[in-house]
Amino acid sequence: ILNVEQSPQSLHVQEGDSTNFTCSFPSSNFYALHWYRWETAKSPEALFVMTLNGDEKKKGRISATLNTKEGYSYLYIKGSQPEDSATYLCALISSTDKLIFGTGTRLQVFP
Amino acid sequence: EPEVTQTPSHQVTQMGQEVILRCVPISNHLYFYWYRQILGQKVEFLVSFYNNEISEKSEIFDDQFSVERPDGSNFTLKIRSTKLEDSAMYFCASSPGVNTEAFFGQGTRLTVV
Repeated sequence: ILNVEQSPQSLHVQEGDSTNFTCSFPSSNFYALHWYRWETAKSPEALFVMTLNGDEKKKGRISATLNTKEGYSYLYIKGSQPEDSATYLCALISSTDKLIFGTGTRLQVFP
Repeated sequence: EPEVTQTPSHQVTQMGQEVILRCVPISNHLYFYWYRQILGQKVEFLVSFYNNEISEKSEIFDDQFSVERPDGSNFTLKIRSTKLEDSAMYFCASSPGVNTEAFFGQGTRLTVV
C-alpha cells in the first residue's frame, strides 16, 4: 500500500507570514504528483500537477517544487492571507493510475 | 465551465440499508474516481474506473461497494448493507488523463443511523 505523508498536520500563521509544507512519497512508484486546495464545505480544487524531477510551478503567491529521487514535494505560500486558510492535499499518481492522497496540512491564517 | 455534479448532497440512511450515490463526470473525461473522507480522517481511495472498467480498487471495496455507468454519463457508487462507520463525505472525481488534474464534485454527505 503506497503511503503519502504530509507535514505538518496543521499550521497557524499570521497574515503576511510565508509558510511551507511537505509531501513525502515513495519515489519508486512515482508517475505524477498533484497538489489540491480544499476549503471547508467545498470540493478539492487542483493547484498543480507535477511530473518531472526538479519541476517548479507557481500560481500567484503559491509555488511548489518536486524531488522525485528523494520522494518529496514542497508547497510554499508567500505572504499568507486569511483567504489562504484551507487544507492542502498532495496526491500521488502511481503506475496504476490512481490518486493516493496524503493526510493533508490544515492551514489557518489569522488577520 | 463544466463541472462534476453529485447527488444527493446529503443522504441519511438506516444501518443495513443499501444506498446509491450518483455522479455526473465531465463529459470528455476518461478517468473516474470515488473517494471518501470519514470525519477527522484522511481522504480514502475507494475505486478508479477507466474505459468502462474498474482499473483499481481499495482493499475494502469488494466487501460493500460496486460501481456502474448505467447510461454512459452517470457514474454510481452503490454501498450495500451500510454500517455506522460508513458515515462520511463521498467524493466523485474525473480527469481527462493521469497527467492532468482531477475535478471533484461537491460531495455527498452520508449519515448512517
